[in-house]
Amino acid sequence: AQRVTQPEKLLSVFKGAPVELKCNYSYSGSPELFWYVQYSRQRLQLLLRHISRESIKGFTADLNKGETSFHLKKPFAQEEDSAMYYCALRTGTASKLTFGTGTRLQVTL
Amino acid sequence: NAGVTQTPKFQVLKTGQSMTLQCAQDMNHEYMSWYRQDPGMGLRLIHYSVGAGITDQGEVPNGYNVSRSTTEDFPLRLLSAAPSQTSVYFCASSLTGVTTEAFFGQGTRLTVV
Repeated sequence: AQRVTQPEKLLSVFKGAPVELKCNYSYSGSPELFWYVQYSRQRLQLLLRHISRESIKGFTADLNKGETSFHLKKPFAQEEDSAMYYCALRTGTASKLTFGTGTRLQVTL
Repeated sequence: NAGVTQTPKFQVLKTGQSMTLQCAQDMNHEYMSWYRQDPGMGLRLIHYSVGAGITDQGEVPNGYNVSRSTTEDFPLRLLSAAPSQTSVYFCASSLTGVTTEAFFGQGTRLTVV
């Protein structure tokens, strides 16, 4: 069975500091990984997906199959990055998403 | 284009009552799903559907029923509410396929007393 692990419940950083939100997964097949973000009082929305290899709002994430990780990184944190971040794994049949428990990012001045 | 719409936004139920959480999408997505979000546990899949007339159980299906009579609607029924079902419920939809984006509703905050 697939599993997604986000070891940190809360990550607090200063504005301008680098950010790394950790995500590890376990899945025997070929994974598709995503980061979803939930800003205060807003609905959950897609931040980025590994297949796109894009940078969104300064965030990037690289899939490391050897370490089974998909960590989310940003070189300089901004106040508006404060939110709940979920790593999610999607597997082939039925398109089911498995979420991690989430990490709350708190960016302070 | 409203996306995914959930009603109600808030609900308080007494133990033993039943109710239906509504979810509708106007994007012609085949795949729809229900999650519950609890502190420290993230989002857990309750039920999902890959198309009209097809539903299946997720990780935490007990105490919930679903049906999918149309592509647009995917209601979630609580048969006999229990305090353990106090949670925030999210409906999501997407095209089928491993790489597609899931679109979420705004959530329903349910309290069972």
